[in-house]
Amino acid sequence: EIVMTQSPATLSVSPGERATLSCRASQSVSSNLAWYQRKPGQAPRLLIHGASTRATGIPARFSGSGSGTEFTLTISSLQSEDFAVYYCQHYSGWPPTLTFGGGTRVEI
Amino acid sequence: EVQLVESGGGLVQPGGSLRISCGASGFSLSNYWMHWVRQGPGKGLVWVSRINSDGSTTNYADSVKGRFTISRDNAKNTLYLQMNSLRAEDTAVYYCARRYCGGGACPEAFDQWGQGTLVSVSS
Repeated sequence: EIVMTQSPATLSVSPGERATLSCRASQSVSSNLAWYQRKPGQAPRLLIHGASTRATGIPARFSGSGSGTEFTLTISSLQSEDFAVYYCQHYSGWPPTLTFGGGTRVEI
Repeated sequence: EVQLVESGGGLVQPGGSLRISCGASGFSLSNYWMHWVRQGPGKGLVWVSRINSDGSTTNYADSVKGRFTISRDNAKNTLYLQMNSLRAEDTAVYYCARRYCGGGACPEAFDQWGQGTLVSVSS
């Protein structure tokens, strides 16, 4: 079973600053990695798939990088609406394996 | 507006059964693979099951294989999860989620989620 580990658990930043979130896989997942944003009381919002491809409608300040076992989500200039919990997710089509990380809370 | 709405959750005794539903609006369910994902109290998101667009292919996490059945009725734009032999560890909020397709790619990632329905397994 592939385990996804996110760090840090909590990231304290100020509006306008850059935020860098990490996600590590216990074994190589190639580029089969997605990132989500989740705010309290809301469903997760898909930000990135394929490790670095922004989903439809996602602002350019969100960028993803990495492959294999190390991945990064960067928010270039934090806006007030970006304070949330961020999850990474590994996926494989066959056999179907989907595993979420534990999340990183981005707070002021 | 694209929307997924789960229903049918509730309290059930260990060993019991429950069927939860996910109604889709604003898009045609028949065009998408669909998934169920759950989140136990104080725990992370866990994938449960998926079904292809016409219902001919289904897959399950090992933890629910043989006990849960995913199905769909495209004419009713509704997704289902039949849960049998329920255990305390199945207690969770269950979310239906739509597989994302965009830019020529359809990764196993989710662009639409419902608000979730709570299933509690307890005596």
